[in-house]
Amino acid sequence: DQQVKQNSPSLSVQEGRISILNCDYTNSMFDYFLWYKKYPAEGPTFLISISSIKDKNEDGRFTVFLNKSAKHLSLHIVPSQPGDSAVYFCAASESNYQLIWGAGTKLIIKP
Amino acid sequence: KAGVTQTPRYLIKTRGQQVTLSCSPISGHRSVSWYQQTPGQGLQFLFEYFSETQRNKGNFPGRFSGRQFSNSRSEMNVSTLELGDSALYLCASSLTPTGAGETQYFGPGTRLLVL
Repeated sequence: DQQVKQNSPSLSVQEGRISILNCDYTNSMFDYFLWYKKYPAEGPTFLISISSIKDKNEDGRFTVFLNKSAKHLSLHIVPSQPGDSAVYFCAASESNYQLIWGAGTKLIIKP
Repeated sequence: KAGVTQTPRYLIKTRGQQVTLSCSPISGHRSVSWYQQTPGQGLQFLFEYFSETQRNKGNFPGRFSGRQFSNSRSEMNVSTLELGDSALYLCASSLTPTGAGETQYFGPGTRLLVL
């Protein structure tokens, strides 16, 4: 039973446009959410996070939105750049328990 | 400051063998977590160690084990390897145990191929 789901295995976006990556979760006790980015042959790197007391967090071109009632979070990248091409993972945790990860979405930015 | 290092980077084993993977966390980090990544499955949590104690364990068989040393370096061991154990094994470190607000820093991973 996957508690964190990324239903789109891949997403293709034109350079300069907005990329929207989605993540759904089932555990209403999750109180912290993160996005990581992973390039081939490298480990994931932290991108942005949000706690359940907020509904939006912004860091430069990256914004994460949290909709607790829908148990949904999304990552917006504006504008998308070629270097954003990577696999994006969302992860969630409940208090001091371990992170639960989604399966990842491969983002391809087309020039 | 050096990042998380994992050795070896690549490994080929045959079924039935055992393997030990090593992880050196970022200096000062006391928490080390291990994950298995397979295509389409995301990161599956194996276990987390903090101050030499296993703090959390994922849903993996007993063939998967780990330990942490007093210098925070960690090893994971897989015995009686199966073909399905072929995966990328990632190690992540953090200052304190994983939980709200704690960022994990990942190593490049060890790619294990079981033939």
